[in-house]
Amino acid sequence: SQQGEEDPQALSIQEGENATMNCSYKTSINNLQWYRQNSGRGLVHLILIRSNEREKHSGRLRVTLDTSKKSSSLLITASRAADTASYFCATATSGTPLVFGKGTRLSVIA
Amino acid sequence: NAGVMQNPRHLVRRRGQEARLRCSPMKGHSHVYWYRQLPEEGLKFMVYLQKENIIDESGMPKERFSAEFPKEGPSILRIQQVVRGDSAAYFCASSPDRERSPLHFGNGTRLTVT
Repeated sequence: SQQGEEDPQALSIQEGENATMNCSYKTSINNLQWYRQNSGRGLVHLILIRSNEREKHSGRLRVTLDTSKKSSSLLITASRAADTASYFCATATSGTPLVFGKGTRLSVIA
Repeated sequence: NAGVMQNPRHLVRRRGQEARLRCSPMKGHSHVYWYRQLPEEGLKFMVYLQKENIIDESGMPKERFSAEFPKEGPSILRIQQVVRGDSAAYFCASSPDRERSPLHFGNGTRLTVT
């Protein structure tokens, strides 16, 4: 069964705007990871946030984690057309492989 | 420094044939994971292997599917007597350790069963 559920399923924004995607999960985790997938390609790791961290930055990416609400968000600032892709959250729990959500399809319109 | 290599990229099989999907992990990675993705869906875990050992095959159907990661050579996901429902993208990922590091993915094999 899916552990992470992304919201929204699809998001369309103008270039330069910010994009926010959310992920909710059900059980305790060791860390939560965000991946990106361009059409027809494999997933690329973006950022990992540990269960004892609340916020993390990497370039134009900002990830937050609220373990009390079992949720995470991914913010992409100043989006570009090249950010168009599907974004997946994945939860890591001891003794089990990474479990992926169904993803958010982001379209950035130039 | 080559990433995870999967071949073939596209594979077409008729119902009842066998499909063999290959995955060479990144250099230095001894942990291999296979995932399956249907259109507009997320990735579903199938099997996790370390060199010569299957660690977790809880996501792999017990019938017709098998996986191996020999001491030498790539990891192989084998699907016998394919059916139309096996049509999907199959992704392999590797990591240098168990659970702590992010996964590195190949570009997948797209299997079409006619």
